[in-house]
Amino acid sequence: GQQLNQSPQSMFIQEGEDVSMNCTSSSIFNTWLWYKQDPGEGPVLLIALYKAGELTSNGRLTAQFGITRKDSFLNISASIPSDVGIYFCAASFSGGATNKLIFGTGTLLAVQP
Amino acid sequence: GAVVSQHPSRVICKSGTSVKIECRSLDFQATTMFWYRQFPKQSLMLMATSNEGSKATYEQGVEKDKFLINHASLTLSTLTVTSAHPEDSSFYICSAVGTDTQYFGPGTRLTVL
Repeated sequence: GQQLNQSPQSMFIQEGEDVSMNCTSSSIFNTWLWYKQDPGEGPVLLIALYKAGELTSNGRLTAQFGITRKDSFLNISASIPSDVGIYFCAASFSGGATNKLIFGTGTLLAVQP
Repeated sequence: GAVVSQHPSRVICKSGTSVKIECRSLDFQATTMFWYRQFPKQSLMLMATSNEGSKATYEQGVEKDKFLINHASLTLSTLTVTSAHPEDSSFYICSAVGTDTQYFGPGTRLTVL
């Protein structure tokens, strides 16, 4: 099945550092989403982006929907230990987060206290 | 926020047996639910779309006769893995579509011996 290319694959950082990860595709999407998954759990929505160029924040998290509609990035500022987990981007061809989603390959984030 | 449950959370079965996994939307009605599969250290891959009152639609490469989906009510969809084999061992996650997004369940870990 189709997947989105997400990088980096993993990150090991110190508490307090900022984090940046991105997602790219050869296809155009109309919705980009960012999820966090803890081990043995389902993904939890962090940020949803619906418009090209849109920049949205949720606390220490900021995400942007690329102008070309083929990419998105997620930034986490001042990381804390509870940020540990796997972050997935997801995208939808049809507008909105209620439709079929294609997921990225994931970024494993480890935060050293 | 909206809550989606899955039952069982873990199941171990012998090769050749069938296993049923339930997905319930606890505080909202969902005419559409999605079933995803996630192998260890990999991303979520959409298996099928479950529609209340009609047949499920399956993604390319997913055998509909092996993965039976029944969306019997607006709050319940079931996935039955028939004649399970070790290669079917995976983390199965459902999502239920609400007003403006889809909410993921906590997942079901299936191990086939």
